[in-house]
Amino acid sequence: TQLLEQSPQFLSIQEGENLTVYCNSSSVFSSLQWYRQEPGEGPVLLVTVVTGGEVKKLKRLTFQFGDARKDSSLHITAAQPGDTGLYLCAGAVRGSTLGRLYFGRGTQLTVWP
Amino acid sequence: DTGVSQNPRHKITKRGQNVTFRCDPISEHNRLYWYRQTLGQGPEFLTYFQNEAQLEKSRLLSDRFSAERPKGSFSTLEIQRTEQGDSAMYLCASSLGGTSFSYEQYFGPGTRLTVT
Repeated sequence: TQLLEQSPQFLSIQEGENLTVYCNSSSVFSSLQWYRQEPGEGPVLLVTVVTGGEVKKLKRLTFQFGDARKDSSLHITAAQPGDTGLYLCAGAVRGSTLGRLYFGRGTQLTVWP
Repeated sequence: DTGVSQNPRHKITKRGQNVTFRCDPISEHNRLYWYRQTLGQGPEFLTYFQNEAQLEKSRLLSDRFSAERPKGSFSTLEIQRTEQGDSAMYLCASSLGGTSFSYEQYFGPGTRLTVT
């Protein structure tokens, strides 16, 4: 059983469309990270959220941490082909001092020109 | 500021052989992690070092796996008597423990292992 459930697993959209990816859990997290991964490469950190209800923006990407720190979402506005990739959410469980991250299975996003 | 580096990037080996991977973390980072990622899955935690001390090991890390970080800098992950099920991407990450950025882990490019 995955500690973090991501949805959807696959997303195929046209350039210019908006999309939202969800990351849910029954556990509480001290922090939650979003990564993007290209084929054959390691994940690249996009953002870290630590406060319940926190919203962070990174150009066309908006990240939100749920009030109860059990879930998060990633919203992309006006998607571009360069946004194509595997988006992973990962979290550090509250109470853990070791910083081990639990990952979701990822959302494979394809943006067509 | 150089990122996390891993060597080799690709390794093809025959079943039963031993393999060793190396990870060089970001220089000032005292925490180092190993993860394994298979197709269609997110990375899964294997083990964690703070400086030279190995503080946590996953149940995924069977007796055939061993990891070291002898001087608190680079780390090696060795797999003995490889099996086809060991085929995966092995990822190394590092972070700066003891700060508000402790949970921000930066990953290397990974080592792709194929066991034939």
